[in-house]
Amino acid sequence: AQSVTQLGSHVSVSEGALVLLRCNYSSSVPPYLFWYVQYPNQGLQLLLKYTSAATLVKGINGFEAEFKKSETSFHLTKPSAHMSDAAEYFCAVSVFRDDKIIFGKGTRLHILP
Amino acid sequence: DGGITQSPKYLFRKEGQNVTLSCEQNLNHDAMYWYRQDPGQGLRLIYYSQIVNDFQKGDIAEGYSVSREKKESFPLTVTSAQKNPTAFYLCASRLKGPGPYNEQFFGPGTRLTVL
Repeated sequence: AQSVTQLGSHVSVSEGALVLLRCNYSSSVPPYLFWYVQYPNQGLQLLLKYTSAATLVKGINGFEAEFKKSETSFHLTKPSAHMSDAAEYFCAVSVFRDDKIIFGKGTRLHILP
Repeated sequence: DGGITQSPKYLFRKEGQNVTLSCEQNLNHDAMYWYRQDPGQGLRLIYYSQIVNDFQKGDIAEGYSVSREKKESFPLTVTSAQKNPTAFYLCASRLKGPGPYNEQFFGPGTRLTVL
């Protein structure tokens, strides 16, 4: 069965600093991976997704993620944090012939002025 | 604009009452999902439906019921059997096929509070 682990339930970075949110997956078959963002009291919005076309995936709001099969990772990065990036971020995995998407427990990103 | 609507945004319930949360989508998606979100626990799947008149239990279905009479609608009923229903509920939909790389689209959520 597939699963997702997000390292760190809370991450704090200074405004302008690098954002790195970690996600490791477990899957016996090729996975399809997603990053979502959730602002307070709102639904989830897709940031980016990996569908095997390219290992480096660019998303909205300047975020990108790199799929590393050898490390079973799909970490989310942004070169320079902005106050508006403060939110909760979820990594998720899906596999072929499965209509479910499995979500990690989320990482809350805090931006320090 | 296409999207998913959930109503109401806030819902208050007395203990022992059943309540129904609405979810409607106009994206022409086949699959629909209900999740429960509690602080620090991520999203937990309650029920999902891949086609009209069919649905499957998720990881925490006890105390909940659903119906899928129309493609665009997937209401969730929180029954009195659900011991701790206070939570944020999210509805999602997804286009099926040809692969699993289609993302889920989410509604804005309903916050249920039991008084």
